[in-house]
Amino acid sequence: SQTIHQWPATLVQPVGSPLSLECTVEGTSNPNLYWYRQAAGRGLQLLFYSVGIGQISSEVPQNLSASRPQDRQFILSSKKLLLSDSGFYLCAWNQGHAYTFGSGTRLTVV
Amino acid sequence: GNSVTQMEGPVTLSEEAFLTINCTYTATGYPSLFWYVQYPGEGLQLLLKATKADDKGSNKGFEATYRKETTSFHLEKGSVQVSDSAVYFCALSIGNFNKFYFGSGTKLNVKP
Repeated sequence: SQTIHQWPATLVQPVGSPLSLECTVEGTSNPNLYWYRQAAGRGLQLLFYSVGIGQISSEVPQNLSASRPQDRQFILSSKKLLLSDSGFYLCAWNQGHAYTFGSGTRLTVV
Repeated sequence: GNSVTQMEGPVTLSEEAFLTINCTYTATGYPSLFWYVQYPGEGLQLLLKATKADDKGSNKGFEATYRKETTSFHLEKGSVQVSDSAVYFCALSIGNFNKFYFGSGTKLNVKP
C-alpha cells in the first residue's frame, strides 16, 4: 500500500536558522509531490510541486526552496527562517484524482 | 483563474442537527471537486470527491453534489455528531499536474 511519511511532527526554530523538512513516499513510483503551508487561521497554500527528480515548480515567491533528490523524496528548506515562515507544512502526493497528505509539521519560528 | 470559496466559520451546531457548508468554485476548465477534513492535531484526510458534473460524493454520512450550473459543491450531513468537529476544506483539482486549490476551511463545532 502507498504511504507518506513526513517529519518532524513539530519544530521550534529561531529566526535566521536553517530549515530542512523531509517527506518520503512508499509503495509508488514517479509520484507528483507537493508542499503546502497552512498559516494560522488560514487555508492551504501550494508552495511547490514536483513531477520528477530534480523538477521543482514554485507557486509563490518566498523564503523557502524545495528539492527532489530521489524519486520518492521531497525536501523543503530554508537558509534563514523568518517569523512569517511559521505554520503547518503538509507534504502530499497525487495519484489520479486525489491527494494523500502526510501528517504535517508544525513549525514555530521564534 | 482557479479558486475555491467556502463559507466562513466557525459553524456551531448541536448534536443531530443538519449541516450545510457552502462551497463555490471558479475554474478555467473542468475540475474534480473534493472535501477534505482535518481533525484537531492531524493532517488532512479525503472525505469525499466528485469528478464530473452531477456526480454525488458520499462518505460517513456526508454528501456533496457537483453542480456545474451553479459552480457549487456544498457539503451536507443530516445528523452531525460531536466526533464530526473538525475543519472542512473544499478543494478543486485541475490541469495536467493535478494542482489543488483549497478554500480557506470551515471550522465545525458540534456540541452535545
